[in-house]
Amino acid sequence: NAGVTQTPKFRVLKTGQSMTLLCAQDMNHEYMYWYRQDPGMGLRLIHYSVGEGTTAKGEVPDGYNVSRLKKQNFLLGLESAAPSQTSVYFCASSYDGPYNEQFFGPGTRLTVL
Amino acid sequence: AQTVTQSQPEMSVQEAETVTLSCTYDTSESDYYLFWYKQPPSRQMILVIRQEAYKQQNATENRFSVNFQKAAKSFSLKISDSQLGDAAMYFCAYREQTSGSRLTFGEGTQLTVNP
Repeated sequence: NAGVTQTPKFRVLKTGQSMTLLCAQDMNHEYMYWYRQDPGMGLRLIHYSVGEGTTAKGEVPDGYNVSRLKKQNFLLGLESAAPSQTSVYFCASSYDGPYNEQFFGPGTRLTVL
Repeated sequence: AQTVTQSQPEMSVQEAETVTLSCTYDTSESDYYLFWYKQPPSRQMILVIRQEAYKQQNATENRFSVNFQKAAKSFSLKISDSQLGDAAMYFCAYREQTSGSRLTFGEGTQLTVNP
């Protein structure tokens, strides 16, 4: 059981470049989330999904797109990276229902120059 | 929108002593869930403890316990018999009943444990 995995672990981009972060979970969770973590601000929700084929905006969605074509995968895309998107990105997943624990991936450190 | 506030950016404690981390939140909901997560230097987010708002009894998990004051919208974490391995960033989080059960996090408290 790998849990929640994220690819890649580190990435450096130039302003204007695009990239996709991949999140995969093998726990058959319905819900999946993308967060960003910046110093002094905790984790903020970018987008989330409550099931295959569904996505919704979180607190800070601008500049990002997501897709959930398969239940086990949740992709986060940056179409035109900006320095303000330099951050650590976390993916999480859980069973449906608010009591259930969200399991987090190890994070991706992204730097945009 | 819900907000979560952790007013202590940094805290320190002596090994074997007790420390309390503060958290307050704002919501108009009556039913919700509260969590404390730990983030050690490895960056991995680890669930420490959770509390259901409709339960009056405070949750406990070994050396970790909470003081949940629903009327005051306060949810503090007490760590007893602190150990060096408890050193980490601690995040308080609020989880709503609807809207995909999203988590709203506080800013975090960096805990240092001194030997």
